[in-house]
Amino acid sequence: DAKTTQPTSMDCAEGRAANLPCNHSTISGNEYVYWYRQIHSQGPQYIIHGLKNNETNEMASLIITEDRKSSTLILPHATLRDTAVYYCIVFSSKLTFGTGTRLQVTL
Amino acid sequence: SAVISQKPSRDICQRGTSLTIQCQVDSQVTMMFWYRQQPGQSLTLIATANQGSEATYESGFVIDKFPISRPNLTFSTLTVSNMSPEDSSIYLCSVEPDRTFTDTQYFGPGTRLTVL
Repeated sequence: DAKTTQPTSMDCAEGRAANLPCNHSTISGNEYVYWYRQIHSQGPQYIIHGLKNNETNEMASLIITEDRKSSTLILPHATLRDTAVYYCIVFSSKLTFGTGTRLQVTL
Repeated sequence: SAVISQKPSRDICQRGTSLTIQCQVDSQVTMMFWYRQQPGQSLTLIATANQGSEATYESGFVIDKFPISRPNLTFSTLTVSNMSPEDSSIYLCSVEPDRTFTDTQYFGPGTRLTVL
């Protein structure tokens, strides 16, 4: 499975956009990029996934670079409830969770 | 998505005993998964439990320690056997709903296990 690299932690002011980067330089052509988040003491929550086109849903947007070696998850208007650990995962045959980015949304 | 419940939500057990964790889904799913999250760590896949076949275990996990049952398309159990303090973790089940035709998994709330 392709390895992902994410910053350990990030801060974001409430109401501002949170942009969470992820590097996956060894991704293969048929591997999807998935994003999950885990709010403290809860099970992981699916956010969004994509292959090569940008994707948007009610939770977030996913921007994937043309060479597919990196992606950015965008939470357009972060709230305190978005404070969580965000996992970027390159899916081949299974979900392999790395250490993720701990996003702290502040007032 | 899918609504997933787990029982118990938490438990404190003595070493040497076993605990069976239940996972119930609100719809029929072919693929179910069991994960472990050790304190302060990320999630690790224990096994894949597909109805009608033996569970497939990941490296480092064995059936004698983590027996799994999958009697139907909405239910599964994971047993943590002969527990030691190192088994203290959150155990989570997840499912991959058939109707989504993707590999998206949805997770239960987890079972927090403490072994004394």
